[in-house]
Amino acid sequence: DVKVTQSSRYLVKRTGEKVFLECVQDMDHENMFWYRQDPGLGLRLIYFSYDVKMKEKGDIPEGYSVSREKKERFSLILESASTNQTSMYLCASRGVGADRLYGYTFGSGTRLTVV
Amino acid sequence: QKEVEQNSGPLSVPEGAIASLNCTYSDRGSQSFFWYRQYSGKSPELIMSIYSNGDKEDGRFTAQLNKASQYVSLLIRDSQPSDSATYLCAVKGGGADGLTFGKGTHLIIQP
Repeated sequence: DVKVTQSSRYLVKRTGEKVFLECVQDMDHENMFWYRQDPGLGLRLIYFSYDVKMKEKGDIPEGYSVSREKKERFSLILESASTNQTSMYLCASRGVGADRLYGYTFGSGTRLTVV
Repeated sequence: QKEVEQNSGPLSVPEGAIASLNCTYSDRGSQSFFWYRQYSGKSPELIMSIYSNGDKEDGRFTAQLNKASQYVSLLIRDSQPSDSATYLCAVKGGGADGLTFGKGTHLIIQP
């Protein structure tokens, strides 16, 4: 089974801090994604990457950046954390060429609180 | 903007009955459709996927797709209390872009 590992389950940071959320997958997948999930708003795509050093903006990229230096690792960066970035952050991966029925596999999530 | 609509619920169903969850989507170019189950505090877990019109069955779960009506549904037969969760409908277009999710339907199976 594909395993997607997010480094932290819970994180508390201060306003203005630079925050790094790490995600690692072990199945050599090309595509990786970062979502945030908020009550009443559902899951929203922040950024995705379809290859090493490649990145694309999702629906809500403002205030975030990403880094993909190695295929297995996709990092989400909050340049200057703000309280409205308090959320559950979910990383997912999917292989290119996979059967189009092949869904995304999610990590266990990082619940970030910005105080 | 792609949109995926679900009734937020809660949808309350007696144990042993059929639970019916519905989803509509706006993008006619959508190709693949997914149902995820999410327990409180946990990440989404894929339970069904479908891309052809009609029904697809897997155990107690049946996914139904009608592309002309832009409608996808999930039926859960013989509902169990362990099926109580939020069910997310997700839609994918072509290319490497991500899934678009509905906000989810909260399902409660009453013992």
